[in-house]
Amino acid sequence: EAQVTQNPRYLITVTGKKLTVTCSQNMNHEYMSWYRQDPGLGLRQIYYSMNVEVTDKGDVPEGYKVSRKEKRNFPLILESPSPNQTSLYFCASSTRVTADMNTEAFFGQGTRLTVV
Amino acid sequence: GESVGLHLPTLSVQEGDNSIINCAYSNSASDYFIWYKQESGKGPQFIIDIRSNMDKRQGQRVTVLLNKTVKHLSLQIAATQPGDSAVYFCAENRGGGADGLTFGKGTHLIIQP
Repeated sequence: EAQVTQNPRYLITVTGKKLTVTCSQNMNHEYMSWYRQDPGLGLRQIYYSMNVEVTDKGDVPEGYKVSRKEKRNFPLILESPSPNQTSLYFCASSTRVTADMNTEAFFGQGTRLTVV
Repeated sequence: GESVGLHLPTLSVQEGDNSIINCAYSNSASDYFIWYKQESGKGPQFIIDIRSNMDKRQGQRVTVLLNKTVKHLSLQIAATQPGDSAVYFCAENRGGGADGLTFGKGTHLIIQP
């Protein structure tokens, strides 16, 4: 079954304690992204990766890091979490959109992070 | 700046009626648009997409209309069912794949019995 798997689903942590949210896809997709979802703001892109060892900032990258050492994994790292990073996080993966082929971004189930 | 947004945050319709969810975009260079459905506690799920060289695309009970002149996108759901209750997002692809999606803020569709 094609899927994007995030872990953990729920996490409560304290300010400043480093954490990692993992994301794995089994579809051999080139593209992976992280989004955060906040009430009234919709989904905002944090970072994305177009392939192994290729990552770029999205719209709201401050306070986050990512890595893409393998094609299937794209972890999100918060080196020193702060309360304003309390949010619902989604990982997504897709193939590339070209003139001849559309794409569908598959999303994980989400990780609800609370930083106190 | 460029943005993708929705006209109404909440839409309430009677079960069995048709629903129309609207979306405005501002990047005239965008050439690919997607509608996503997000049910409570789940990630967004693909519904239907459309390229800028099309005005209309139909799926099962859903139709997407694209008006490039006024940069407007709409999602029509026929014979709305309770299972259609969700938040609907339009997304604009800036180029590439998952890297290029800009999402609107979402419309919450509520189905009245």
